Amino acid sequence: EIVLTQSPDFQSVTPKEKVTITCRASQSIGSSLHWYQQKPDQSPKLLIKYASQSFSGVPSRFSGSGSGTDFTLTINGLEAEDAATYFCHQSSSLPYTFGQGTKLEIK
Amino acid sequence: EVQLAESGGGLVQPGGSLRLSCEASGFMSSSYWMSWVRQAPGKGLEWVANIKQDGSEKYYVDPVKGRFTISRDNAKNSLHLQMNSLRAEDTAVYYCAREGNRKAFDYWGQGTLVTVSS
Repeated sequence: EIVLTQSPDFQSVTPKEKVTITCRASQSIGSSLHWYQQKPDQSPKLLIKYASQSFSGVPSRFSGSGSGTDFTLTINGLEAEDAATYFCHQSSSLPYTFGQGTKLEIK
Repeated sequence: EVQLAESGGGLVQPGGSLRLSCEASGFMSSSYWMSWVRQAPGKGLEWVANIKQDGSEKYYVDPVKGRFTISRDNAKNSLHLQMNSLRAEDTAVYYCAREGNRKAFDYWGQGTLVTVSS
């Protein structure tokens, strides 16, 4: 099973700040890494697929990069509505696995 | 508009059974792999099972193998999860999700809560 480790677990940030969340895989997964946003009492929503491809309708301030074992989700110009938990997910091999999540708090 | 709607959750005693359903609309579910993903209260996401477009391939996470069965009815655009021998650790919100391009979960339902408790 591929283990995904996100950092940090929690971050308190101010609006307009640049935020970087990392996801490290226990073995190489190519670019089969996706990012989701989950707000309280809502289902997850896809932000970035295949490491760097933005999903339809996602604001341009969200971007992804990386390949192999190290990946990054970047939010440029954080907005108050971005308060949420962010998860990475690998689809390189079964069982699919998720990172533990990164909770973003807006100051 | 793509929509997924789960149903069938509820309170069940340990050792009991429950059948979840997911109704798809706005797209032909027969063209996609479909998955179930669960989230225990206050916890992260765990992939549970998935099924190929024609139902010929099914895969499960180890903790549910032999107890859960995923199935689909393409004529009714629906997905199901039969859960037997339920345990307290199966308590979670269960989401159905579409596996889109590159196997990302591009659409999710609102989830249905399963509580296993005596």
